[in-house]
Amino acid sequence: AQSVAQPEDQVNVAEGNPLTVKCTYSVSGNPYLFWYVQYPNRGLQFLLKYITGDNLVKGSYGFEAEFNKSQTSFHLKKPSALVSDSALYFCAVRDVSSASKIIFGSGTRLSIRP
Amino acid sequence: NAGVTQTPKFQVLKTGQSMTLQCAQDMNHEYMSWYRQDPGMGLRLIHYSVGAGITDQGEVPNGYNVSRSTTEDFPLRLLSAAPSQTSVYFCASSYSGQGVRTQYFGPGTRLLVL
Repeated sequence: AQSVAQPEDQVNVAEGNPLTVKCTYSVSGNPYLFWYVQYPNRGLQFLLKYITGDNLVKGSYGFEAEFNKSQTSFHLKKPSALVSDSALYFCAVRDVSSASKIIFGSGTRLSIRP
Repeated sequence: NAGVTQTPKFQVLKTGQSMTLQCAQDMNHEYMSWYRQDPGMGLRLIHYSVGAGITDQGEVPNGYNVSRSTTEDFPLRLLSAAPSQTSVYFCASSYSGQGVRTQYFGPGTRLLVL
C-alpha cells in the first residue's frame, strides 16, 4: 500500500533562514508525489507535484521539493523563509488504484519566527 | 469560478442527530471526495466519487453516507452523529482519467458533536 511519512510534527525556523520539511514515501511502482499547504482556518492549497523528470520541482510561493529515489524522500525546501510561510504542510502520494485518489501524511506545522 | 464551496462553515450537533454537509464545485470535475482532518492524523478519506451515480468508500467510511446525483454536488450525510465524528471536514474535487490530478479543496466544515 502507498504511504507517506512526515517525521516532524513541527519545524521552527528563523525568518530569512533556509527551511526543509521532510517527507518519505513508500509506493509500489512510480511515485507521484505532492505537497499541499494549509493556512489557518482554510482548506488545503496545492504547492507542487512530482511526476517524472527533473528531481528538483519548483512550486508556488518560492517553494521547491527534491525527489530522491534512493532515499525514497521528497523534502520540501525554501532558500529564505518568510513569516507568512507559517502554516501546516502536507506531503501526499497518488494511490495506484486511481489517478485522482491521494493519500496524505500526518502534516508538519512550520513556524517562522521574525 | 467559485471553485469548491462547502456549507455550513460550523455546526454543533447533539449525539444521535443527523445532518448533511454540502459540497459543490463549478469546475466540471468528475472526481469528488470527502476527508476528515484530526490533529496528528492528517487527512483521512471518507468517501469518494469518480462521477455522477458512482461512489465508493475510503479509509474511514463508517457512520457516513454519500450520493452523487449530479456532477456538481457531493453531499455527506451523518445519520446518527457521535462525538467521535467531531472533526473538520473537507471536500475536494479534481479531473479524473489518466494523468496525475491536482485536487482542489473547499474551505472546510467544522463539526462539533456533543
